[in-house]
Amino acid sequence: SQQGEEDPQALSIQEGENATMNCSYKTSINNLQWYRQNSGRGLVHLILIRSNEREKHSGRLRVTLDTSKKSSSLLITASRAADTASYFCATAPMDSNYQLIWGAGTKLIIKP
Amino acid sequence: DTAVSQTPKYLVTQMGNDKSIKCEQNLGHDTMYWYKQDSKKFLKIMFSYNNKELIINETVPNRFSPKSPDKAHLNLHINSLELGDSAVYFCASSQDRRVRGYTFGSGTRLTVV
Repeated sequence: SQQGEEDPQALSIQEGENATMNCSYKTSINNLQWYRQNSGRGLVHLILIRSNEREKHSGRLRVTLDTSKKSSSLLITASRAADTASYFCATAPMDSNYQLIWGAGTKLIIKP
Repeated sequence: DTAVSQTPKYLVTQMGNDKSIKCEQNLGHDTMYWYKQDSKKFLKIMFSYNNKELIINETVPNRFSPKSPDKAHLNLHINSLELGDSAVYFCASSQDRRVRGYTFGSGTRLTVV
């Protein structure tokens, strides 16, 4: 079942600009994860943020989590053509039977 | 070295056939998953095994049957294929059943004609 909703569904920006994607979810969570999927490939785990964390960085990625609003954002700074991909958020609900709940993804296109 | 490998990458078959997709991970992970991704990119969990024990068995037709001969392998067998089974199927693994980062295979694109 889909719990997360990514916003926007699609985003097209110029290379070098920052890209921000948002994810909202419905139930209390243990953690939230972001994944990237290049066209025709599998998903790649980018970053995990725990429910007691508010912000996390990894290279050009910055993830924030607001549990009071049940939302997260993924910021990619200084975007590159290689960042073109679909980005998914996935939540680990507290009452989960050991499974992630996935959003529908944001399709990001970086124009050279 | 491929961490999670699944074969075949592409599978085109006729309705009514039976087919299998194989998955192997060399990460030493305890838990493996099968996901279905439809044409709108929605990811749906199908099954999960932890150390060869079935722990997630979502509502999928019983034409789909997973088999885990050991914790490094999780295969998916599909009987009597239907047009609606066309999708990309992903295998994934995680260190254990706690819901942390998954490692995905590159997917099997199944087309039923």
